Amino acid sequence: GDSVTQMEGPVTLSEEAFLTINCTYTATGYPSLFWYVQYPGEGLQLLLKATKADDKGSNKGFEATYRKETTSFHLEKGSVQVSDSAVYFCALSDMIYNQGGKLIFGQGTELSVKP
Amino acid sequence: NAGVTQTPKFRVLKTGQSMTLLCAQDMNHEYMYWYRQDPGMGLRLIHYSVGEGTTAKGEVPDGYNVSRLKKQNFLLGLESAAPSQTSVYFCASRGGEGETQYFGPGTRLLVL
Repeated sequence: GDSVTQMEGPVTLSEEAFLTINCTYTATGYPSLFWYVQYPGEGLQLLLKATKADDKGSNKGFEATYRKETTSFHLEKGSVQVSDSAVYFCALSDMIYNQGGKLIFGQGTELSVKP
Repeated sequence: NAGVTQTPKFRVLKTGQSMTLLCAQDMNHEYMYWYRQDPGMGLRLIHYSVGEGTTAKGEVPDGYNVSRLKKQNFLLGLESAAPSQTSVYFCASRGGEGETQYFGPGTRLLVL
């Protein structure tokens, strides 16, 4: 079945450092890919998404490119802030083969940014 | 426009007790989902609904039941709670094909 694998955390960075969180997927069809963020004590919020190969999703300085050839959707940010400390989830949704369009999540990567 | 709301926010149950978690959305979305979040495992789908009056099993449905009598509400029931059901439960809704899922704030459940 479809699955998502993320790099394990926790990841600890200093403010203004470069961030990469790796995400790879396996899917039968042509999924849409998402990054969700969960701030402490809150629910999940959509950070960015891409719906087809070579699309780049971007938001709040974060970006990720849908790479079909490497089945990857790595999250990057050039300069992290303390306020970016959260848990980041990579997810996929296959509208054609996945009845109901449910999301399949990676295990989450905790990011801690120190001042 | 409250989005997706969940009731209650936190609950402690004893083994064998029952309870219902309520999810409500005011976005007129067709699709609704119940997930559970456990450390190191991401979110896993329990049940979902593609419209009023319909429900379907997800990845981890055992021990749970659901109902979607009204389009805006999706109820998750635990008939006989077990310690393995200690988790954080999230509800989500989606408008249509290709659209984003919107999540509620979660319900933290502790089963003793």
